[in-house]
Amino acid sequence: DAKTTQPNSMESNEEEPVHLPCNHSTISGTDYIHWYRQLPSQGPEYVIHGLTSNVNNRMASLAIAEDRKSSTLILHRATLRDAAVYYCILGGFGNEKLTFGTGTRLTIIP
Amino acid sequence: ETGVTQSPTHLIKTRGQQVTLRCSSQSGHNTVSWYQQALGQGPQFIFQYYREEENGRGNFPPRFSGLQFPNYSSELNVNALELDDSALYLCASSLWQGVGDTQYFGPGTRLTVL
Repeated sequence: DAKTTQPNSMESNEEEPVHLPCNHSTISGTDYIHWYRQLPSQGPEYVIHGLTSNVNNRMASLAIAEDRKSSTLILHRATLRDAAVYYCILGGFGNEKLTFGTGTRLTIIP
Repeated sequence: ETGVTQSPTHLIKTRGQQVTLRCSSQSGHNTVSWYQQALGQGPQFIFQYYREEENGRGNFPPRFSGLQFPNYSSELNVNALELDDSALYLCASSLWQGVGDTQYFGPGTRLTVL
């Protein structure tokens, strides 16, 4: 499985944008980039995914580098509820197995 | 729409015992995956079931086994429990549509092995 590298932890002030980076230099051409997050005492929840183009949804935006070797999850206006561990995961074609790393623990400062 | 549910919420067992964990998939989903999450780690894939057949397995010994039922609910069975089996067990359901499937996770079952 292709590997991702994320910072162990990040802090951000409430109501400010947050940029969570992910490096995936060994990504293959068919790997999608998935982001999940895990709130305290809950199971992971889907945030967003993309292949080559930047993606937006109601939760976040995903910016993918042109060479696809890195990506950034953008939370446009962080709230206290966004405090969670964020996982960047590569998923191959038709492969539903998710290979989680240790993720980035995001702390939101009121 | 009912989400993914798991039972029990918490469970305490002793070493050598057997345990069965249960998962009800989200309505309309035909695939269920099980993950083990040790404290401070990301979830690790155990196995996946699609239409009642095992469809992939992670690096877990045979004493970890599973079932998927015709209504797509699922069980995870662990025999001969070891202390290291203490973890949060997560199930996730999805609808098999090929690329980039989204998995929906339940809240997990916290298993403690003494």
